[in-house]
Amino acid sequence: DAGVTQSPTHLIKTRGQQVTLRCSPISGHKSVSWYQQVLGQGPQFIFQYYEKEERGRGNFPDRFSARQFPNYSSELNVNALLLGDSALYLCASSEQRGTEAFFGQGTRLTVV
Amino acid sequence: AQSVTQLDSQVPVFEEAPVELRCNYSSSVSVYLFWYVQYPNQGLQLLLKYLSGSTLVKGINGFEAEFNKSQTSFHLRKPSVHISDTAEYFCAVSENRGSTLGRLYFGRGTQLTVWP
Repeated sequence: DAGVTQSPTHLIKTRGQQVTLRCSPISGHKSVSWYQQVLGQGPQFIFQYYEKEERGRGNFPDRFSARQFPNYSSELNVNALLLGDSALYLCASSEQRGTEAFFGQGTRLTVV
Repeated sequence: AQSVTQLDSQVPVFEEAPVELRCNYSSSVSVYLFWYVQYPNQGLQLLLKYLSGSTLVKGINGFEAEFNKSQTSFHLRKPSVHISDTAEYFCAVSENRGSTLGRLYFGRGTQLTVWP
């Protein structure tokens, strides 16, 4: 069975640009969450989606947005990139909210 | 609000020695507890979880953890480590009900380095 897949694996952007990261959950999983992991720190919660609706948002600026599609895949968008947005972005899926979360390999975003 | 404290940022240990990685949390509500492992340039893999029931939880790769509600701790242990256990370990908590259900709060991580 395929796990959580994220694309792209690596990305380099310049300040001020916009980026879209993609996540495909495990088949049958209806909840997708996004986390930002800055080097040397633990992951920080950004968004949670369940059944295509936003169910939670972390302490991130409005430059960050996300959505979940009818097939439960998800996109994370970040506008007006800053150097501080450089991080590993992790997607996690679970069958329901609150059940075990399975993480993808992440997308390494570098902003120069 | 939830918070997770991993008391050691780095733990060096020799192969076949025992190891304990410490984790304390604070929460005003009932929680689920998790330990994840992260190998270089990879995502997170679940080692074990405490949802309810027995406070001693066994996970993969010979790891176990004990939930201590009075001390709000969830320390990870392994009686004999291998070189392959070298990785970053994260403790995480989530509320088991309410609007933040399923949201994970992570500690800063503990780098376990196993030396031959």
